Amino acid sequence: SAVISQKPSRDICQRGTSLTIQCQVDSQVTMMFWYRQQPGQSLTLIATANQGSEATYESGFVIDKFPISRPNLTFSTLTVSNMSPEDSSIYLCSVEDLLGTGNTIYFGEGSWLTVV
Amino acid sequence: EDQVTQSPEALRLQEGESSSLNCSYTVSGLRGLFWYRQDPGKGPEFLFTLYSAGEEKEKERLKATLTKKESFLHITAPKPEDSATYLCAPFTPDKLIFGTGTRLQVFP
Repeated sequence: SAVISQKPSRDICQRGTSLTIQCQVDSQVTMMFWYRQQPGQSLTLIATANQGSEATYESGFVIDKFPISRPNLTFSTLTVSNMSPEDSSIYLCSVEDLLGTGNTIYFGEGSWLTVV
Repeated sequence: EDQVTQSPEALRLQEGESSSLNCSYTVSGLRGLFWYRQDPGKGPEFLFTLYSAGEEKEKERLKATLTKKESFLHITAPKPEDSATYLCAPFTPDKLIFGTGTRLQVFP
C-alpha cells in the first residue's frame, strides 16, 4: 500500500494569510487528489492533480483560491489562499494505487487547519 | 443525482456486542465501493474494496458485503479500539461519492 506523508499535520492560521500543504508519496503514482473535510462533514473533492498537466477542479473550487502544484510523480502541494474561518477544515491528500486485482484510494493523515 | 446514505449516524455498542452498519446508494456507472475507518482528526484508513454483488471481504472483526444497492459492514465482538467513524464510498471511473459515516463507540 502507498504511504502518504502530509505537512503540516495541523496549524492555526491568521485570516487573510495563505498556507501551503505538502503531500509526499513513497511510490510513483499517476493520480493524486486533494479533499476537504469540514467539521462534522464528509469528504469533498477539491481537485485532481496529474503530473505534467493543470489540476482539474471540482465545481465550487477555483485555482485562485486553491492553487495546486504537481512537479513529479511522488509530490504535490495545495495552497489555501486568503484564508477565512470558513476554510477551517481537514485537508487530505490521496492517491490511486493500482493493485493487481483492482484499484484502491489511499489517504494521508490530513492537515488540520484552523483559521482565526 | 448520485446519493449515498449511511445508517445509523451513530452507534453505541457494548464490548462483544455484534452489529452491522449500512451503506445504501444510488450511483450511475458504479464500479465498486470502498470502506474506510476514520479516527478523529486523521485521514481515512482503507479497509476494503468490493466490486460485485455477493462479494464479501473480511479483516479481523470486520466483514464487508455488497448487494446491488447496499453494502454492510458487520462488526463481530467489537472491542473499544474499534471505536471510529466508518465511511463508505461508492465509486465510478470518474469519482468517489462519500457517505457521511457511522460514528461507532464501543464501551468496555
